[in-house]
Amino acid sequence: DIQLTQFPSTLSASLGDTVVISCRASRNANDWVAWYQQKPGRAPKLLISKTSNLDSGVPSRFSGGGSRTDFTLTITNLQPDDFATYYCQQYSSSPLSFGGGTKLEIK
Amino acid sequence: EVQLVESGGDLVQPGGSLRLSCTASGFGFHKYAMSWVRQAPGKGLEWVSSISNTGGDTDYADSVKGRFTISRDNSKNTVFLLMNNLRIEDTAVYYCAKRWSENFGAFNMWGQGTRVTVSS
Repeated sequence: DIQLTQFPSTLSASLGDTVVISCRASRNANDWVAWYQQKPGRAPKLLISKTSNLDSGVPSRFSGGGSRTDFTLTITNLQPDDFATYYCQQYSSSPLSFGGGTKLEIK
Repeated sequence: EVQLVESGGDLVQPGGSLRLSCTASGFGFHKYAMSWVRQAPGKGLEWVSSISNTGGDTDYADSVKGRFTISRDNSKNTVFLLMNNLRIEDTAVYYCAKRWSENFGAFNMWGQGTRVTVSS
C-alpha cells in the first residue's frame, strides 16, 4: 500500500501570498498523483491530475510538481476563494489513498 | 446538465444494511469507471470502492471488503453501493465520483454526497 503524508496540516497565509503544500508517498507513485480542493460542506473538486496537469477551468495560479515520492501543490497570488482544505491522492496502485489534508487559513 | 446525484443515505443500526445510488447525467456514463469515497465527520477523504466502465473489474478498501458491494447499471446511468453489516465507523458522507477513463484515473467529477449514520 502507498501511504501519503501531507504537510503542513494547517497553513496560515495572506491574500497575495504564495504557498506550497507537500505530499510524500511511502513508495514510488509513478506521477499518478492528484490534488483536490474542498470547502466546508462541499464535495471535493479536482485541481490537478498526473502531478502537474491542471484540470479544465482551474486558475493558472495553481500548479503541481514533483516525481516518484515527493509532490507539491503551489498556489501563487492567493485569492479569497483559495482558502479551503487541500488533499493529495495517489491512483498509481490499489488501494487508492489520500493524504491527511492541509487546511489553508487566512492569516 | 453534467452531474452526479447520490441518494440512499440514512440512519441505520449497527449490523444493518443500506444501498446507496448515484445517478449520472450529461455525459457518457458507460465510458467511465466510477468510485465511492467517504468522509467521516471532521475527517479526511477515504477511498471505498471502484468499478470499471463495464462492471467487470471491482476493487475495495480493506476496511469494507466482504461487507460492501459496488455495482452499476449502464442502462440506467447508475452506480450502487450495497453496504451490509454496517459498523459505527462506517458513519460518513459518501461521495460518488467519476474517474478519468474506463478503469483508471483521478476523480474528475463528484456528487454532492449522501450521509450515512450508523448508530443504535
